[in-house]
Order: sequence, then C-alpha cells, then structure tokens
Amino acid sequence: DAGVIQSPRHEVTEMGQEVTLRCKPISGHDYLFWYRQTMMRGLELLIYFNNNVPIDDSGMPEDRFSAKMPNASFSTLKIQPSEPRDSAVYFCASSLRNEQFFGPGTRLTVL
Amino acid sequence: AQSVTQPDIHITVSEGASLELRCNYSYGATPYLFWYVQSPGQGLQLLLKYFSGDTLVQGIKGFEAEFKRSQSSFNLRKPSVHWSDAAEYFCAVGTHSGGYQKVTFGTGTKLQVIP
Repeated sequence: DAGVIQSPRHEVTEMGQEVTLRCKPISGHDYLFWYRQTMMRGLELLIYFNNNVPIDDSGMPEDRFSAKMPNASFSTLKIQPSEPRDSAVYFCASSLRNEQFFGPGTRLTVL
Repeated sequence: AQSVTQPDIHITVSEGASLELRCNYSYGATPYLFWYVQSPGQGLQLLLKYFSGDTLVQGIKGFEAEFKRSQSSFNLRKPSVHWSDAAEYFCAVGTHSGGYQKVTFGTGTKLQVIP
C-alpha cells in the first residue's frame, strides 16, 4: 500500500484565495483525520470522519474551514477565503483499530 | 476527557547515551498508548503502541516503552541514541468516546543529539 497520500505537498497562495487540500487514505481504513501543525500551537485535530461521516469538527477554527469525505478513498479540506494565519502544515491521517497512519503533509503558505 | 502531558519540550543527549522521554496521561480507564516520531519535514511515524498485555513494548528503531498504570505513565526509552534519532517525539492516548475512537496527542519533545 502506498500509505496516506496528500496533495499538493506545498501550496503558496495569496490572502483571500480559496485553498483545497486533498487526501487519499489507506484502503480499508475507516477513520480519517485532518490535523494542523504550527510552531505556536503544535499539532491540532481539526476534524475526523468515521465511514465517511464527520464525527467531530469542534477543532475547525472558523467557518472559513470546511471538510468533506465524499467516499472512502478521498477527502478534502477547504479554506475559503484563506488568511496569512492559516499558514501551517496540514496532515491527513487514516486509521483502523486505533492506530493512525499519517500522510506527508501539505505545507500551506498564505501571503 | 483524556489528556497527555509531555513535560520536556526539548532534550539534548550525546550520541551513544541512553534516552528516556516522559509521558503522562489522564484517563479513567486503561487507554491505548502510542509513541510517534516526526523527522523534520516529515509526517508522524508510529514507533510503538500499547493496547494490552505485556507492559513493556518494543518498537521500531530500537525503542521501547513501559506502561505503568500506577504512575499513569508511558515513558519511551532507548539504550543508545544515534544521531539519526534527532527528531520530535509525540506521545498519544487513544480512547473510545461515544462509540468512536479518539486520539489525543501530547505537545511533543524535541530531541537533539550531539556528537
């Protein structure tokens, strides 16, 4: 298995633009997590899904953030409009039986 | 609600020296426990996990951790550190809440290895 796949690996955009981050979980995993990591705040859980259904989105910072999981093999995290304070590394992870496997992350820079 | 404390933000050890990274958790029952490692520019990689059974668990890269229920701890150890072990280490606690799994990560410990 290729592991968790995230795209793009790097994204540079200007304030106000829409940003879409993509994740392909490991096949057969029933949980998918989105995290954000910054120097100041560390690793933060934004939202997680179980069998494609959002379970807890209490970590999503604002209404500008939204996440979808239309099927078991794909999820997106969208920021609209983006702001400089959204600059961070965004990780997707999938799990089966409590063990999480992380993707390589997307480094987002909002200018 | 569960919580995880990693009291050491940054640790420096000499190559070849032993290492112990501390982790304490708070949870009413026996949780699932994990240690992850993150190298610069990389995602988190699972080092080892404890679900049940033997309280001393072996992981990859020569790491081990011991679950001590009486101390609510799950400290990570390595007898001889290599320069390539320089990274950030995260302890995590997994539980089930409302029928769904939930994992809480600690704030991480950055390990520096000096020659």
